[in-house]
Amino acid sequence: AQKVTQAQTEISVVEKEDVTLDCVYETRDTTYYLFWYKQPPSGELVFLIRRNSFDEQNEISGRYSWNFQKSTSSFNFTITASQVVDSAVYLCALSEARGDTGRRALTFGSGTRLQVQP
Amino acid sequence: DTGVSQNPRHKITKRGQNVTFRCDPISEHNRLYWYRQTLGQGPEFLTYFQNEAQLEKSRLLSDRFSAERPKGSFSTLEIQRTEQGDSAMYLCASSLTRGENTEAFFGQGTRLTVV
Repeated sequence: AQKVTQAQTEISVVEKEDVTLDCVYETRDTTYYLFWYKQPPSGELVFLIRRNSFDEQNEISGRYSWNFQKSTSSFNFTITASQVVDSAVYLCALSEARGDTGRRALTFGSGTRLQVQP
Repeated sequence: DTGVSQNPRHKITKRGQNVTFRCDPISEHNRLYWYRQTLGQGPEFLTYFQNEAQLEKSRLLSDRFSAERPKGSFSTLEIQRTEQGDSAMYLCASSLTRGENTEAFFGQGTRLTVV
């Protein structure tokens, strides 16, 4: 069975601070995908990144960066110089990748609510 | 806008009534998923379709729930004899599952309140 744990329920920072959101996962699959989604108050999930389990290279996109460590089953997300607009719930998710017929449904963590104060 | 569209956005219903939600996925996407999200939790998988075939139903989906995707395009999720525990956000997602294309795009959800 797959499981995603986001131990940080809520984080509050002041604008311009850096913040790291933790994600730890469990899976028996050798090939899988990891995701981060942003969920603003409107409710819609906004896709941020997908990472294949074979690709452990860290990724940076503007103020966002992701640190994938297979050895510790973690896929952490860092926002540099946070802004008020970053306030949202951030969800980490996992899916298996068994070819085109695989289920590929997402198993989500419970999310981390980030509040960025001005 | 060609994203995933869900209707209605909000639904308030009395316990025992039936409700139906609609999801229009991104047009070329062959996969469609339904998830349920309660307050403070991440979305939980309910069911999914590949084209018009419903391939899996979660054990969370009781007999009162039924989903269809008759022509492999839009989908409906019906809840019969609603209970207060059905109150949640119902999210629809679609994806193009060929090879490496696996990210799912979500709609804004339908928030159901059962009173």
